[in-house]
Amino acid sequence: EVQLVESGGGLVQPGRSLRLSCAASGFTFDDYAMHWVRQAPGKGLEWVSGISWNSGSIGYADSVKGRFTISRDNAKNSLYLQMNSLRADDTALYYCTKRQGGRYGDYADNWFDPWGQGTLVTVSS
Amino acid sequence: SYELTQPPSVSVSPGQTASITCSGDKLGDKYVCWYQQKPGQSPVLVIYQDSKRPSGIPERFSGSNSGNTATLTISGTQAMDEADYYCQAWDSSTALFGTGTKVTVL
Repeated sequence: EVQLVESGGGLVQPGRSLRLSCAASGFTFDDYAMHWVRQAPGKGLEWVSGISWNSGSIGYADSVKGRFTISRDNAKNSLYLQMNSLRADDTALYYCTKRQGGRYGDYADNWFDPWGQGTLVTVSS
Repeated sequence: SYELTQPPSVSVSPGQTASITCSGDKLGDKYVCWYQQKPGQSPVLVIYQDSKRPSGIPERFSGSNSGNTATLTISGTQAMDEADYYCQAWDSSTALFGTGTKVTVL
């Protein structure tokens, strides 16, 4: 069974940093692109960032570009999101999700399945 | 920038058909997928590549995509189908989600 378990969320002051992690199991992690998607309280889904199987292709939403950095450690079956210069509007539940529909290739296209349970990030003074 | 627009809400009686639309410029030229999200839960994929169902998703869920509109159809809607539904597509290597539709089963 594929499992994605996020961690690292919490309460952080504006301007500070936070690093999220996603531990993956139940599949060959280094064959698949991975993504972060967030959901602000009571709001819809927003794609944050994606990374290809070998970290050769990476993309970011305009809202986080230059502040967030996605990375992965295939030896540890783990996905990360380094979040710097956090703002109040970064407050959200952050989901880790697997790009489905084929191994290798770019981070983009296809669909997300499954999703983790999410880790909550609250940016507030 | 590219946008996907959905109606905020759709109401349906049990056993009837619910149709949820997702609109975007030339959306039919892209692949669309749909996610179901129940309160307090993570999203679940219900349709991918416009009309394909993942294993474990009931046959009452179907999808189509043409022109500027993709549609998720729930036939014989059940109370358990009450949830938020999001369409999703890619544009210029950016994943875009629709605004979301709350389906209420009355």
